Amino acid sequence: SAVISQKPSRDICQRGTSLTIQCQVDSQVTMMFWYRQQPGQSLTLIATANQGSEATYESGFVIDKFPISRPNLTFSTLTVSNMSPEDSSIYLCSVDGFDRGTDTQYFGPGTRLTVL
Amino acid sequence: GENVEQHPSTLSVQEGDSAVIKCTYSDSASNYFPWYKQELGKGPQLIIDIRSNVGEKKDQRIAVTLNKTAKHFSLHITETQPEDSAVYFCAAPNNAGGTSYGKLTFGQGTILTVHP
Repeated sequence: SAVISQKPSRDICQRGTSLTIQCQVDSQVTMMFWYRQQPGQSLTLIATANQGSEATYESGFVIDKFPISRPNLTFSTLTVSNMSPEDSSIYLCSVDGFDRGTDTQYFGPGTRLTVL
Repeated sequence: GENVEQHPSTLSVQEGDSAVIKCTYSDSASNYFPWYKQELGKGPQLIIDIRSNVGEKKDQRIAVTLNKTAKHFSLHITETQPEDSAVYFCAAPNNAGGTSYGKLTFGQGTILTVHP
């Protein structure tokens, strides 16, 4: 299985500021994803992070609010911009098993964000 | 896109009893169905998955059944233990846009509590 780490593990931020979340994988992967999990809710896909090109965003999510970088095959960042209390959530990165020939999707431990 | 419904939202059982969680999906083309367990403060962890070419898969105390005709799949946990207490999510591929590799749509989650 893939080993995924995220930084920071949690943060408390002020309204109007931005936070960049890092996701590091222990091996090269083709597909990386970012999910949001609002308090007590399920997981919602924000975007697919594409290496060397712009991320592909799901309906309801835009690049200006959630800019994503994918500089190489083991690393990605998600920025939550101009934050409001409604952005308080757990943000999760994930990778899938495409490079290992499986459908399994592995998740990082998450970043718990509170916006005051 | 895929729509996944999960029931029940909460489930309380006595240690040693069985627990069953059911999900329905909308896209008949979906062919891969994972189940995740999320413990407090952690990211989701895959516990079992099934592909559409089989009707049942077992792994020790955990089993998943799939009914393609009815478009539903279920998680069965036998001989439950207190450490099984967690939130369980089902998922199905998100086929919107013609390519789904790695993109998942999640059910709403089930909070399972196993009482000693």
